[in-house]
Amino acid sequence: DAMVIQNPRYQVTQFGKPVTLSCSQTLNHNVMYWYQQKSSQAPKLLFHYYDKDFNNEADTPDNFQSRRPNTSFCFLDIRSPGLGDAAMYLCATSKGAGGYNEQFFGPGTRLTVL
Amino acid sequence: DAKTTQPNSMESNEEEPVHLPCNHSTISGTDYIHWYRQLPSQGPEYVIHGLTSNVNNRMASLAIAEDRKSSTLILHRATLRDAAVYYCIPQNTGNQFYFGTGTSLTVIP
Repeated sequence: DAMVIQNPRYQVTQFGKPVTLSCSQTLNHNVMYWYQQKSSQAPKLLFHYYDKDFNNEADTPDNFQSRRPNTSFCFLDIRSPGLGDAAMYLCATSKGAGGYNEQFFGPGTRLTVL
Repeated sequence: DAKTTQPNSMESNEEEPVHLPCNHSTISGTDYIHWYRQLPSQGPEYVIHGLTSNVNNRMASLAIAEDRKSSTLILHRATLRDAAVYYCIPQNTGNQFYFGTGTSLTVIP
């Protein structure tokens, strides 16, 4: 089945140690998104790619970066994780950027910062 | 971005219909209204979306007010598997999703 895959499902890192989360999709969708979801909160959009065009949300910290080397893969890099970055990180895709496009979410990666 | 207002929580008895309201009074004329739900420890899952007309699919129905300032997600027969947080999301042409606080639905056996 076509899907959005996130690896790993659980990631533990140390304070200040760079970490990379990965997302892949078999849907051949043009748009990929990264969301951060802290405990008991709603998902918050960090950034998205339309094809190779990167779109950062205004309030996304510089500590968060992203790469999309090809259509199928997208990475979230956290350069110096702090305790406040512990969260579930969700990857999503959509076929296009029009408002009628639904988003397909992966299962998420739960990040713990020690 | 359109702001949404949803009840923090709702309860329903199993096998009964559930009406989940959403107020989006600042919605623009081209925003689609999306509904997603999120089960514990899972990513959000698409439920339904529409623009102006009421919509039905195998999961739910979406009733959109004539002035589009509110909508209601209808689950026709709630099951225990429908217990989740339900998000109403006006979707602009940039396709960015800005989630509100959502409604936590409890289904009582």
